[in-house]
Amino acid sequence: AQSVSQHNHHVILSEAASLELGCNYSYGGTVNLFWYVQYPGQHLQLLLKYFSGDPLVKGIKGFEAEFIKSKFSFNLRKPSVQWSDTAEYFCALKTSYDKVIFGPGTSLSVIP
Amino acid sequence: EAQVTQNPRYLITVTGKKLTVTCSQNMNHEYMSWYRQDPGLGLRQIYYSMNVEVTDKGDVPEGYKVSRKEKRNFPLILESPSPNQTSLYFCASSLGQGANTGELFFGEGSRLTVL
Repeated sequence: AQSVSQHNHHVILSEAASLELGCNYSYGGTVNLFWYVQYPGQHLQLLLKYFSGDPLVKGIKGFEAEFIKSKFSFNLRKPSVQWSDTAEYFCALKTSYDKVIFGPGTSLSVIP
Repeated sequence: EAQVTQNPRYLITVTGKKLTVTCSQNMNHEYMSWYRQDPGLGLRQIYYSMNVEVTDKGDVPEGYKVSRKEKRNFPLILESPSPNQTSLYFCASSLGQGANTGELFFGEGSRLTVL
């Protein structure tokens, strides 16, 4: 069955630390991949997306993600986090038959 | 402004009292979907719709109904709410089917409490 897993349930970092959130998926077909962010009390917003081409994609607010097809992974990175990055982060994939599957989310807390 | 609008944003109701959460999008999107978000469980899809008059069950459809009579609207109906439907609900829309699609635009969320 198709699924998306995220490595960490809760991550705590100090400001200026580097961030990497893991995401792996289980699906054998063509995928579109997404990272969404949900700031406290708000709705989900798109951070970045991968459809095809360059496996390193850049998104808003300095985030980037790398698609590694052989590892079925789409990890999110940011070189230096800020307090305002405190949020919940969701990895998601869209299958070739248009179903969107979300991971369980990773809660990021950034300490000033 | 492109947006997905949900109403109500907050609702407290009692077991068995029918309610409807409305969802409307102004982006002419074909695809619309409802999710519920619960602590530790992430987002789970309730129902989705590929186009007008086309709806299908998601992962957790029990206790919910939907309809898609117009492209812009996708209401979620709880015919007889129960406490286990207490949750945060999100409506989302997307351009449609095919390659290079799937980016979801979310509403602000509707927090429902069933007593």
